[in-house]
Amino acid sequence: AQSVSQHNHHVILSEAASLELGCNYSYGGTVNLFWYVQYPGQHLQLLLKYFSGDPLVKGIKGFEAEFIKSKFSFNLRKPSVQWSDTAEYFCAVNARGDSWGKLQFGAGTQVVVTP
Amino acid sequence: GAVVSQHPSWVICKSGTSVKIECRSLDFQATTMFWYRQFPKQSLMLMATSNEGSKATYEQGVEKDKFLINHASLTLSTLTVTSAHPEDSSFYICSAPDRRSSYEQYFGPGTRLTVT
Repeated sequence: AQSVSQHNHHVILSEAASLELGCNYSYGGTVNLFWYVQYPGQHLQLLLKYFSGDPLVKGIKGFEAEFIKSKFSFNLRKPSVQWSDTAEYFCAVNARGDSWGKLQFGAGTQVVVTP
Repeated sequence: GAVVSQHPSWVICKSGTSVKIECRSLDFQATTMFWYRQFPKQSLMLMATSNEGSKATYEQGVEKDKFLINHASLTLSTLTVTSAHPEDSSFYICSAPDRRSSYEQYFGPGTRLTVT
């Protein structure tokens, strides 16, 4: 069955620490990949996306993600986090054969950045 | 970016009653919208694809007679939870793709439904 898994449900780290959130997917075909962020009390927002081309994708707010096809992974990274990065992060996949916008989400990772 | 709103943001209803949730694209038109459901501390699960002017497409396991979707205009989709039961209590989120930004998905703020 198709699935998206995020390795950590809860991450706590200090300001200036580096962040890496794992995402693995299980799909038979080609996929579009996304990371969304949900700040407390706010809507889901797109951080970055990968459709094709350079597997290293840069997004907003200093985030980047690397698509490794052989590992079915799309891990999110930020070299130095800030307190304002406290949020929930969701990895999502759109299978190319599905209608555009049909997303399957991972369970989410709650990130807490302490001052 | 584009804005998607939902109304109400929070609703409590009694078992057996029906509740309507609205999803609006405020500054763009959306021929397609999506409805998700999110349980506490769990992921968003796609319930259905709402298609303007035609029937919604439901995901496997979602009861179409219980979750009625109407996409009557290019800016409005509604989800009606009919004969609600406590197990329908959840967070319902809609999204809409904006073709002006390569069909990036914009999400509404969600509606918290509590059925007593």
